[in-house]
Amino acid sequence: GAGVSQSPSNKVTEKGKDVELRCDPISGHTALYWYRQSLGQGLEFLIYFQGNSAPDKSGLPSDRFSAERTGGSVSTLTIQRTQQEDSAVYLCASSLGGWRGGGDTQYFGPGTRLTVL
Amino acid sequence: AQKITQTQPGMFVQEKEAVTLDCTYDTSDPSYGLFWYKQPSSGEMIFLIYQGSYDQQNATEGRYSLNFQKARKSANLVISASQLGDSAMYFCAMRERGTSYGKLTFGQGTILTVHP
Repeated sequence: GAGVSQSPSNKVTEKGKDVELRCDPISGHTALYWYRQSLGQGLEFLIYFQGNSAPDKSGLPSDRFSAERTGGSVSTLTIQRTQQEDSAVYLCASSLGGWRGGGDTQYFGPGTRLTVL
Repeated sequence: AQKITQTQPGMFVQEKEAVTLDCTYDTSDPSYGLFWYKQPSSGEMIFLIYQGSYDQQNATEGRYSLNFQKARKSANLVISASQLGDSAMYFCAMRERGTSYGKLTFGQGTILTVHP
């Protein structure tokens, strides 16, 4: 079956512009996650959705970052007034949801590489 | 304090030999899950293996096994019979039930290079 898809695969933008990154999870997965991967910071959690609600937004680095999920499916991560330190690979993952004894495996998309000039 | 520590920035192994990638973790939550992911140079994160904190036996998935030592808080990945395609970055990660049980916390990763 289809995996997690993300678009665009690459995005180059100028400092100060807004960007939107899209994630399409695996069909039937109720949980969706955004992470960021950069050389300096490694892999960082950003936000977690269960259905359309976000019980954990603790990883969003500033109020320039926001995310929404509609219809329990597609999610959009928006970064306003981009800064050079926002340059990173943004990874989306999805899972069935719930605790499942800790083993609710997250499956990752290919990522969006964001470069802020 | 680091929740996940991978002390080996890089590891080298000869093809067909076994290799162990180290991971130690820090949590006071009795209920947690430990995961290993592989990230080849192409960038995708590939799930390899999972171990739950209450699991009595070490997890195995094909050539991958997880050496789970709960008292030592270690969850080392063992790859048997290494193949050239195993060359990649490997990440250890943890979920804790008590604190936002959705998120994974990752270690810094280990780059594995398999020599022919």
